[in-house]
Amino acid sequence: GENVEQHPSTLSVQEGDSAVIKCTYSDSASNYFPWYKQELGKGPQLIIDIRSNVGEKKDQRIAVTLNKTAKHFSLHITETQPEDSAVYFCAASKDGGATNKLIFGTGTLLAVQP
Amino acid sequence: DAGITQSPRHKVTETGTPVTLRCHQTENHRYMYWYRQDPGHGLRLIHYSYGVKDTDKGEVSDGYSVSRSKTEDFLLTLESATSSQTSVYFCAIRVSGGAETQYFGPGTRLLVL
Repeated sequence: GENVEQHPSTLSVQEGDSAVIKCTYSDSASNYFPWYKQELGKGPQLIIDIRSNVGEKKDQRIAVTLNKTAKHFSLHITETQPEDSAVYFCAASKDGGATNKLIFGTGTLLAVQP
Repeated sequence: DAGITQSPRHKVTETGTPVTLRCHQTENHRYMYWYRQDPGHGLRLIHYSYGVKDTDKGEVSDGYSVSRSKTEDFLLTLESATSSQTSVYFCAIRVSGGAETQYFGPGTRLLVL
């Protein structure tokens, strides 16, 4: 089955710097890759997603890139702010069909230092 | 929050007792999921439902059962709670017809003593 590895497990950056979180997946049939942000005591919230027919997607300060050949995808946050501090999860799935099982990475704790 | 509520939000129980967690959605989405979240493991799928009375197992289903008698409610039952089931439980719904993205509820923190 699918396996998703996420690195680093913790990341500390200065406010205004960029942060990059990387994930690799094992199943070449996976074609949907969402990223979630989880603040303390809350449920994960979708922040951006990408499909395998797209190499990059941006939404203001966040972007996701996908390398299908290498089977890895990355989350990029530019101009980080203290409110970006949270745990970030990547996930992968084979889109479509009767179900959409997401396989999650183990999470990255991002700390943005003011 | 995609119209998802979970109850209770916190629960403390004793080993061997049955526990039922409830997930309620207000938007009649067909697909619903139960995950558990533990340090070092991310989120792992316990069970999911693809319609009323239609459910299937996820990767960590042992010790858990689910029921879905109506579209809006998805119940997770720990038949005989164990300390290894101490976790945070999240319900999710899948929004179909577009990105097929999953949206999560606020979670239930369960402590089994």
